[in-house]
Amino acid sequence: DIQMTQSPSTLSASVGDRVTITCRASQSISRWLAWYQQKPGKAPNLLIYKASSLERGVPSRFSGSGSGTEFTLTISSLQPDDFATYYCQQYNSYSLTFGGGTKVEIK
Amino acid sequence: EVQLVESGGGLVQPGGSLRLSCAASGFTFSNHAMTWVRQAPGKGLEWVSAISGSGGSTYYADSVKGRFTISRDKAKNTLYLQMNSLRAEDTAVYYCAKDPYVDPYYMDVWGRGTTVTVSS
Repeated sequence: DIQMTQSPSTLSASVGDRVTITCRASQSISRWLAWYQQKPGKAPNLLIYKASSLERGVPSRFSGSGSGTEFTLTISSLQPDDFATYYCQQYNSYSLTFGGGTKVEIK
Repeated sequence: EVQLVESGGGLVQPGGSLRLSCAASGFTFSNHAMTWVRQAPGKGLEWVSAISGSGGSTYYADSVKGRFTISRDKAKNTLYLQMNSLRAEDTAVYYCAKDPYVDPYYMDVWGRGTTVTVSS
């Protein structure tokens, strides 16, 4: 199975900060990567698919990049509503896998 | 409006069985793969199983292979997860999710989840 590793596991930031989360795959997954946001007690919400395509309705301050084994999710200017946990997920194979998550906390 | 509503969770003893259901509405059910994802208390997301739009192809995580069975009923627009030989480590919130495509890739709509607790 393809392993997905996210870093950092926790990130402290302030409103207005530029935030970057990294996701690494144990083997090349081309651009078959999605990003999700999850708030406590809620279901995940799709942000990005195919590494850099923004899901409809997601604010443009979210962006994704990367290919192969290294990917990033960037929030250009952190807003109060963005404090949450973020997960990457690969779909290069039908054995889907998630990263361990990155919690974005208020500094 | 696309909607997914899970049901069937509860408390079950180790070794027991449970069947989860996910009622889908607002989209053409057979045109989309469906997936079960779980989240143990305080932990991250874990992919459990997926099924193609036709139901002809199914996929499982190693942790549940041979114990869980995913299926779908086109007439009832419902996804199922039959869980047998349950273990304490299966305790989690179970989410069903819809894929934009007929094969499982990523999930664009999620249900609110149903809680499964495996304990004596």
